[in-house]
Amino acid sequence: DQQVKQNSPSLSVQEGRISILNCDYTNSMFDYFLWYKKYPAEGPTFLISISSIKDKNEDGRFTVFLNKSAKHLSLHIVPSQPGDSAVYFCAASARDNAGNMLTFGGGTRLMVKP
Amino acid sequence: DGGITQSPKYLFRKEGQNVTLSCEQNLNHDAMYWYRQDPGQGLRLIYYSQIVNDFQKGDIAEGYSVSREKKESFPLTVTSAQKNPTAFYLCASSRTPWGYTFGSGTRLTVV
Repeated sequence: DQQVKQNSPSLSVQEGRISILNCDYTNSMFDYFLWYKKYPAEGPTFLISISSIKDKNEDGRFTVFLNKSAKHLSLHIVPSQPGDSAVYFCAASARDNAGNMLTFGGGTRLMVKP
Repeated sequence: DGGITQSPKYLFRKEGQNVTLSCEQNLNHDAMYWYRQDPGQGLRLIYYSQIVNDFQKGDIAEGYSVSREKKESFPLTVTSAQKNPTAFYLCASSRTPWGYTFGSGTRLTVV
């Protein structure tokens, strides 16, 4: 049973527009959420995170929103750039989770068209 | 410059062979992890280790083995028992509970 789901395997957006990537989770013990970006044949790199005590975290063009009641988070990229084209993974962690374990979603491939 | 290094970047294995993927980190992280990514798939956990000389199975440990003799090193052996080993393998490490640092990955292909 997938505890973290990214229901859109791919997303195509025009350059300059907003990209919205969604993530849903089922485990109510999750209290920290992260987004990773991955280019082909490379390891994922950390992008942005949010704690469950917040509902929004912003870093430049990237904003993550958390809706705890809906167990849903989203990543907004504004404006989108061609270099943002990559696979984005949502990940979640629980405070009492032994081993600092992250649970990953299946990823969403974002394509930003010039 | 601290980081996590995986080698080799590309690896070819013949049927029935065991191969070992290297993962080394100089970040002084206690925890290390191995993930597998298949085309169009997410990251699936193979093994993880929270401390030297201790490791735990992840979701898809069958056909794999690991060791953690040093804090810096967490090699993964893909054995002949792994029936579908062709994949992209990612190693990661962490110290805080709040995120991983990933290596650049090893692409393993069975020939």
